[in-house]
Amino acid sequence: DSGVTQTPKHLITATGQRVTLRCSPRSGDLSVYWYQQSLDQGLQFLIQYYNGEERAKGNILERFSAQQFPDLHSELNLSSLELGDSALYFCASSSGTSGSVDTQYFGPGTRLTVL
Amino acid sequence: SQELEQSPQSLIVQEGKNLTINCTSSKTLYGLYWYKQKYGEGLIFLMMLQKGGEEKSHEKITAKLDEKKQQSSLHITASQPSHAGIYLCGAVPARNAGNMLTFGGGTRLMVKP
Repeated sequence: DSGVTQTPKHLITATGQRVTLRCSPRSGDLSVYWYQQSLDQGLQFLIQYYNGEERAKGNILERFSAQQFPDLHSELNLSSLELGDSALYFCASSSGTSGSVDTQYFGPGTRLTVL
Repeated sequence: SQELEQSPQSLIVQEGKNLTINCTSSKTLYGLYWYKQKYGEGLIFLMMLQKGGEEKSHEKITAKLDEKKQQSSLHITASQPSHAGIYLCGAVPARNAGNMLTFGGGTRLMVKP
């Protein structure tokens, strides 16, 4: 158990809908990362937050957005869902110590299926 | 952008055999991580390498980073069925890049009892 929790574990929805994925980082970690894992694209970085502020952005679609709240939990919002958005979405957290290479610990993931 | 190539893509070994998985980068690696993933589950952190020539071991798994910091290998000694899974290398593209990780395509390992 990495200490990172994600809910829900599974999500099935229809095209055009909007969903919210939730992540609670390990105790004390300030940085939260979101990744998408699909069969064709592999594991790809989406976005990072550090202590409530956006820190880095990867290949995140404009239909996707995220935020990190004062209690450090994070949410990933996916809207106008398409079939191709079906994937495993992972949250990871790290201590966020500035200037160092932080080990990222991954949650169990949310499997999103868009029908 | 940095790309990580893993080889082989899949591997089937007999229990007790040794094996090596490679991860090669097109650019100098600032930090290199190895993770293990059971199918459809989360990633389990194995090791992190940062310095050229660095080598780390945990139980029967040894990871090395070459001097040029462009290639890493993961070696498993006397493999067991519990080693089965997908091994992923991930790298930090540059210092102060926000610590985002770029991942290789993964190596799927099966260990036959």
